[in-house]
Amino acid sequence: GENVEQHPSTLSVQEGDSAVIKCTYSDSASNYFPWYKQELGKGPQLIIDIRSNVGEKKDQRIAVTLNKTAKHFSLHITETQPEDSAVYFCAASRAQGAQKLVFGQGTRLTINP
Amino acid sequence: GAVVSQHPSRVICKSGTSVKIECRSLDFQATTMFWYRQFPKQSLMLMATSNEGSKATYEQGVEKDKFLINHASLTLSTLTVASAHPEDSSFYICSARGTGNGYTFGSGTRLTVV
Repeated sequence: GENVEQHPSTLSVQEGDSAVIKCTYSDSASNYFPWYKQELGKGPQLIIDIRSNVGEKKDQRIAVTLNKTAKHFSLHITETQPEDSAVYFCAASRAQGAQKLVFGQGTRLTINP
Repeated sequence: GAVVSQHPSRVICKSGTSVKIECRSLDFQATTMFWYRQFPKQSLMLMATSNEGSKATYEQGVEKDKFLINHASLTLSTLTVASAHPEDSSFYICSARGTGNGYTFGSGTRLTVV
């Protein structure tokens, strides 16, 4: 089955700097890669996603890149703000079949004022 | 956008009792629902996948007789923790998927068994 590895487990950056979180996946049939932000005591909230027919997607300060050959994808947050502090999870799934969403281990991002 | 409502947000129960958690898709029909468990400072671990009107598919190691899942309609799935014990204390999260590719998550249920 699918295995998703996420790094780093913790990340601390100065406000205004950029943050990058990386994930690798094992199932070459996976074709949907979302990123979630989870605040304490809440469910995950989708912040951006990418499908395998696209190499990059951007939404304001957030971007995701996908390298299908290497089976890795990354989250980029620019001009970080204190409210970006949270736990971020990457995930992967297939569009067909079991459609299970497999999560990475999570990254605790701290933005220092 | 798609909204999933999960209740209760937190519950405390005595050891040996059963607890039911509800997950409702408010503005779309959820053909598939997923139940996750999350321990403190850990990732979400999939427990089971359910499709409307059929039996749930459980992940390896998840006791189907303890974690009873019912997906009776396209907008409602329930997870019942039967005869709960302290080790079942965790954060339970549901997710629903409709005809699109997106997964919408509920706000989670903090279960504490005393």
